[in-house]
Amino acid sequence: DVKVTQSSRYLVKRTGEKVFLECVQDMDHENMFWYRQDPGLGLRLIYFSYDVKMKEKGDIPEGYSVSREKKERFSLILESASTNQTSMYLCASSPPGEDGGYTFGSGTRLTVV
Amino acid sequence: QKEVEQDPGPLSVPEGAIVSLNCTYSNSAFQYFMWYRQYSRKGPELLMYTYSSGNKEDGRFTAQVDKSSKYISLFIRDSQPSDSATYLCAMSASSGGSYIPTFGRGTSLIVHP
Repeated sequence: DVKVTQSSRYLVKRTGEKVFLECVQDMDHENMFWYRQDPGLGLRLIYFSYDVKMKEKGDIPEGYSVSREKKERFSLILESASTNQTSMYLCASSPPGEDGGYTFGSGTRLTVV
Repeated sequence: QKEVEQDPGPLSVPEGAIVSLNCTYSNSAFQYFMWYRQYSRKGPELLMYTYSSGNKEDGRFTAQVDKSSKYISLFIRDSQPSDSATYLCAMSASSGGSYIPTFGRGTSLIVHP
């Protein structure tokens, strides 16, 4: 089975800190994605990447950046964490070609205080 | 009008009931239709995937797509308490060879013993 592993299940960070969320997949998928999920708002796409060193903005990229130095790893960076970035962050991956669906990680619940 | 509409519920049913979960959409270009199941504090997992119109069955689950009505359904037969989760519909169309799905906000299902 494809596994998408997010390094932390729960994180608590202080306002202004730089935060790194790591995601690793083990199935050689080209496509990787970062979403945040909030009650009543559903899943919102932050950034995605179709290949190493490539990145594309999603619907809500402000306050975030990403890094993809290796195919299997896609990192989400909060440059200066703010309380409105408290959320569940979900990483996903998919192979190229027709849309056969994503494999999601278990999520990182980030609280910014 | 949102691109994908999904009633948030909660939908509460007794064990053994047939459950019907639905989404409507407005974009006639959507070709791929998916259902994800998300347990509390976990990432979504792909449950069913269909291409274009028609039905697809997998055990107790049946996915149905009616492109003429822009309506998709997920039926769960003989529902179990372990089916209690949030169900997200998702759909996508090709955009330059890539597929970024649009998600519904999810329907919370509670199956009580």
